[in-house]
Amino acid sequence: GNSVTQMEGPVTLSEEAFLTINCTYTATGYPSLFWYVQYPGEGLQLLLKATKADDKGSNKGFEATYRKETTSFHLEKGSVQVSDSAVYFCALSGWSSASKIIFGSGTRLSIRP
Amino acid sequence: DTAVSQTPKYLVTQMGNDKSIKCEQNLGHDTMYWYKQDSKKFLKIMFSYNNKELIINETVPNRFSPKSPDKAHLNLHINSLELGDSAVYFCASSQDEKRGELFFGEGSRLTVL
Repeated sequence: GNSVTQMEGPVTLSEEAFLTINCTYTATGYPSLFWYVQYPGEGLQLLLKATKADDKGSNKGFEATYRKETTSFHLEKGSVQVSDSAVYFCALSGWSSASKIIFGSGTRLSIRP
Repeated sequence: DTAVSQTPKYLVTQMGNDKSIKCEQNLGHDTMYWYKQDSKKFLKIMFSYNNKELIINETVPNRFSPKSPDKAHLNLHINSLELGDSAVYFCASSQDEKRGELFFGEGSRLTVL
């Protein structure tokens, strides 16, 4: 079945550091890939998405490229801010209309001033 | 105006009680979901409804019963609450053709004593 594996946290960085959160997936067909972010005390919200191979999703300085050859969708940001502290979830949506959305286990990110 | 709203936000109750959580979305979406998030932030789908019809029913105890009176509402009723039911429950919605783009409520934190 479909699955998503993302790096375990917590990840702690200093402000302005470079961020990478790894995400790999297993799926049949051509899934869509997503990153969601959950700020403290809130629900998840969509951060970015990519629907086909080599697509790059981007938003708020974050980027992720859909790599079919390595089955990966790593999240990157060149210079993190304290306000980026949150839990980040990689997710996959299968190509079949009967597919359900699969979330990774989440990676907690803390940014030090 | 909140897109996906759920009530109550906090719920503290005794073991054995019955409780309900309500969810409403004003986005005109056809599909609604209930997710359970445990203390380690792991997110697990419980149910999904499309136009009031149940389409996903994961391995959830039958003490949990979803009810969708119309496509804008999906309520969750829990009978005979147990300690292990303590978690944050999230309601979400999506357009049927864009299953991966979920819109989440703020969550309902249930504590069973």
